[in-house]
Amino acid sequence: DQQVKQNSPSLSVQEGRISILNCDYTNSMFDYFLWYKKYPAEGPTFLISISSIKDKNEDGRFTVFLNKSAKHLSLHIVPSQPGDSAVYFCAASQTGANNLFFGTGTRLTVIP
Amino acid sequence: KAGVTQTPRYLIKTRGQQVTLSCSPISGHRSVSWYQQTPGQGLQFLFEYFSETQRNKGNFPGRFSGRQFSNSRSEMNVSTLELGDSALYLCASSFTSGGPRWADTQYFGPGTRLTVL
Repeated sequence: DQQVKQNSPSLSVQEGRISILNCDYTNSMFDYFLWYKKYPAEGPTFLISISSIKDKNEDGRFTVFLNKSAKHLSLHIVPSQPGDSAVYFCAASQTGANNLFFGTGTRLTVIP
Repeated sequence: KAGVTQTPRYLIKTRGQQVTLSCSPISGHRSVSWYQQTPGQGLQFLFEYFSETQRNKGNFPGRFSGRQFSNSRSEMNVSTLELGDSALYLCASSFTSGGPRWADTQYFGPGTRLTVL
């Protein structure tokens, strides 16, 4: 039972434009959400997180939006750069249980 | 501050053997979690250790075990290896203070690529 879903396996964006990666979850107990960037054969690199008490969090070019009623979050990257090309995973956890539930990932390709 | 380190980076074993993987967390982090990544199942949680105690466990057979030492370093052991255990094994550490949620952010190591022949 996949509790965190990323329905788009891949996304291609022109350099300088906005990249929007989406993630849906089913467990209403999740209260902390994270985005990671991953290259093959490497560990995920933490990008940005958001607690369920917020609906938006920004860090430089990265912004995460959380819509609790829709159980949906998205990562916006503006402007997109070729170095952003990687697989992006969203993950979720609930208070009291430190295990992360991961989506299946979205491969982002930023075209120069 | 040094990141999470894992050793070895690559390992080749044969079916039936056992293997031990090691993880050193970020200094000051008390929680260590282990994950398995495979093409078919994605990233799946194995277990979490905090203050030398297993605090949380995923849905894996008893062949997968771990421990944590007083310096927060952790080891993961897989006994009686099967072909399906071939995967990238990832360790993550977090501060986990019981306070703000940002303290639960997990930082990952580079992983150990295990191949079972």
